Parts: sequence; structure tokens; C-alpha cells
Amino acid sequence: DQQVKQNSPSLSVQEGRISILNCDYTNSMFDYFLWYKKYPAEGPTFLISISSIKDKNEDGRFTVFLNKSAKHLSLHIVPSQPGDSAVYFCAASDQAGTALIFGKGTTLSVSS
Amino acid sequence: DAMVIQNPRYQVTQFGKPVTLSCSQTLNHNVMYWYQQKSSQAPKLLFHYYDKDFNNEADTPDNFQSRRPNTSFCFLDIRSPGLGDAAMYLCATSSRSGGQETQYFGPGTRLLVL
Repeated sequence: DQQVKQNSPSLSVQEGRISILNCDYTNSMFDYFLWYKKYPAEGPTFLISISSIKDKNEDGRFTVFLNKSAKHLSLHIVPSQPGDSAVYFCAASDQAGTALIFGKGTTLSVSS
Repeated sequence: DAMVIQNPRYQVTQFGKPVTLSCSQTLNHNVMYWYQQKSSQAPKLLFHYYDKDFNNEADTPDNFQSRRPNTSFCFLDIRSPGLGDAAMYLCATSSRSGGQETQYFGPGTRLLVL
């Protein structure tokens, strides 16, 4: 049973527009959420995180929103750039656990 | 720059022939993890070390072992690789285990089993 779901396998956006990547989770014990970016043949690179006590965290062009009641988080990239083209993984953890539970990823393509 | 390094980046082995993947880190983190990622799937934790304490995930096959001789290095040993073990193996580190802790990943080793 997938505890972290990224229901959109791919997303295409034009340069300069907003990219919105979505993630849903089922485990109410998750209290920390992360987004990783992965280029082909490379490992995941940490992008941004959010604690369950917050509903928004911003870092430059990247903002993560958390809606705990809906068990949903999203990553907004504004403005999108061609270099943002990559696979984006949503991950979650809880206080007791060690493993990051990952979604299957969303491939973002930003065209110029 | 502080980082997580994995060698080799690509490894080809034969069915049943033992193989070792290595990971080193300059972050001086206490915790090191090994994840397996198969094509189009999410990374899945195999095991982790908190300092010298080894913690195996319940569903990690016995075929997979790990060693951590010191803080900086961690090895993944696959005793008898099967075709189903072909995957990307990701090493990660964090300063502590559990809680709201970010894990930092290496570039991964792509294992091919012939």
C-alpha cells in the first residue's frame, strides 16, 4: 500500500510559468515532508522541506504548501526554468521511523 | 564541498557473483542509509547504520548485507545477486536518526546483473 502518492507521472510547463507538483499521503503520523529533485543518472538532491507544524515554506523560487486536513502537499516553482526539468520526488517521515517514504516521482519538463 | 560519494557509478556483475558497492561521506553524519530504487519505482530503504548500530528493514532479503568500518564509509554487499537485484542503489546520510531529519543522497550506483 503506497503511503505517499504522486498521481501525475509527468508535467509539462512553459518557461516562466508556474509549475505545481502534487503529493498525497495516507499516514497521519507523518510529520516531516521533503521534496527531492533528481536528474538522470544522479542521486536525489534535497530541494525543500516542511514540518507538519507549518503550512508553507518558501525558498527562492520554490514554495511547498501543506494541507494536513487533506493530507496533501504541493511544490510550486515560480518562474519555471528549463534547468528545472527533472524528476521530483515527494518524501515523508514520522517521529518513530527512520526511512523516508517516497512517492514514485513526477517528471517535470520545462520548455523554452 | 561536503558530500556523499558512491563508487562505482555503474557496476556489472554476473548472476550469483558477489558484489560490493561503496559509499563515503565527508559530512561527518552519524547515520548512513542504503536505498534500492528499481525502474519507475520509489526508492526503498534496505537498512541503515546509526553510528555502529545496524538496523535492517523487515523485508530486506538476507542476500543483502552491510558493513560500516568507520564513520566515513559504508558498504553494501550482495552475496548472490539475482536478476531481480538489478537496480539503482542509493546511499544517504543524516546527522541523526528519526525526527525531522533531512537525508542527503549520493549519486547512486547502477547495478546490472547478467
